[in-house]
Amino acid sequence: EVQLVESGGGLVQPGESLRLSCAVSGFIFSNYWMSWVRQAPGKGLEWVATIKQDGTEKYFLDSVKGRFTISRDNAKNSLYLQMDSLRAEDTAFYYCARKYLMSSEFDYWGQGTLVTVSS
Amino acid sequence: EIVLTQSPDFQSVTPKEKVTITCRASQSIGTDLHWYQQKPDQSPKLLIKHASRSFSGAPSRFSGSGSGTDFTLTINSLEAEDAATYYCHQSSNLPWTFGQGTKVEIK
Repeated sequence: EVQLVESGGGLVQPGESLRLSCAVSGFIFSNYWMSWVRQAPGKGLEWVATIKQDGTEKYFLDSVKGRFTISRDNAKNSLYLQMDSLRAEDTAFYYCARKYLMSSEFDYWGQGTLVTVSS
Repeated sequence: EIVLTQSPDFQSVTPKEKVTITCRASQSIGTDLHWYQQKPDQSPKLLIKHASRSFSGAPSRFSGSGSGTDFTLTINSLEAEDAATYYCHQSSNLPWTFGQGTKVEIK
């Protein structure tokens, strides 16, 4: 069974940092592109970042470029999102999701972890 | 950035009724359009990929059609468990984007 489990969310003040993790099981992690998608409470979905199978390509939403870093450890079946200089508008549920190709769908999602940025 | 516009934003429907949700892209995206269902307090689940291909496990009453800029998600014979928000998503061009969502309520 494919499983993606996020962790690391919490309440932080503006300007602070947070690192999210996504532990996966039930599939060959190194075969898939992995992404983070967020959803502000009561709002729609927004793609945040994506990383290629071997980590050699990374893509980011313009509003997080220079502040967020995506990485993965294929030996640990884990995906990460390092979030620095957090802003109130980064408050959201953060989901990890997998895709097989750049142009393909997000076929499985985690349950999400809530990041709240507030003073 | 490709903007996806869904209509309607909200629909209140009687069980067994047919539901049609449309998604219009601001530029042609071929068939790189996918549909998700999100129930309250749950993560999104894939229903339809590449405009018309059913995802494994999705109920057969869900179907998709379209190409280019105009796409449709159809729910044949709505069931109570289909109460959810439905999103379209394009994977043609970065940044990948989603429609604003269509909330389907059961009367």
